[in-house]
Amino acid sequence: QKEVEQNSGPLSVPEGAIASLNCTYSDRGSQSFFWYRQYSGKSPELIMSIYSNGDKEDGRFTAQLNKASQYVSLLIRDSQPSDSATYLCAVSSARQLTFGSGTQLTVLP
Amino acid sequence: DAGITQSPRHKVTETGTPVTLRCHQTENHRYMYWYRQDPGHGLRLIHYSYGVKDTDKGEVSDGYSVSRSKTEDFLLTLESATSSQTSVYFCAISSSPRSSYNEQFFGPGTRLTVL
Repeated sequence: QKEVEQNSGPLSVPEGAIASLNCTYSDRGSQSFFWYRQYSGKSPELIMSIYSNGDKEDGRFTAQLNKASQYVSLLIRDSQPSDSATYLCAVSSARQLTFGSGTQLTVLP
Repeated sequence: DAGITQSPRHKVTETGTPVTLRCHQTENHRYMYWYRQDPGHGLRLIHYSYGVKDTDKGEVSDGYSVSRSKTEDFLLTLESATSSQTSVYFCAISSSPRSSYNEQFFGPGTRLTVL
């Protein structure tokens, strides 16, 4: 069974700090990797996609992928209170996404 | 929500009754998915569709059926609802031409309570 593991948190960081979210996956055949943000009572929103080893930056967000270690991470620089949400890691294989249970992030003003 | 609507948005029903949830998209995307989200379990795939009348089972398909007679509509049916099917149900769509991409975009969700 394909598994995606995330630290459940909650994770608290002060405003302006870097938040680091981690994810490991079991299926070595996984081809693409995503981070979703989900505010309470809302639907998941895609914020980052990464397909090859290394770093991908988009504004304050950086996704990092290491396929050899089966590890994906998301860094949020200059964290803002509006970043407070649950972050879901998702891994794709054969057109199906497997999700982690999410990490709840709180950014303290 | 990427041109995706779900109906109803909230529903309360009784054990043993049939329930149908609807997902409607205006993006003309080929792939559609149904997930359920429960505390401690994250999002789990119920069924998905890769075209009109083409569907397949996901991780937690028992007790659910689906139909897709038009590109824009994907229906999820609980033939006889049980309390264990109380959940939030999300529809998602994907148009990625390559399976290695598979970016999915989610609808607003349906909160279903089975008493």
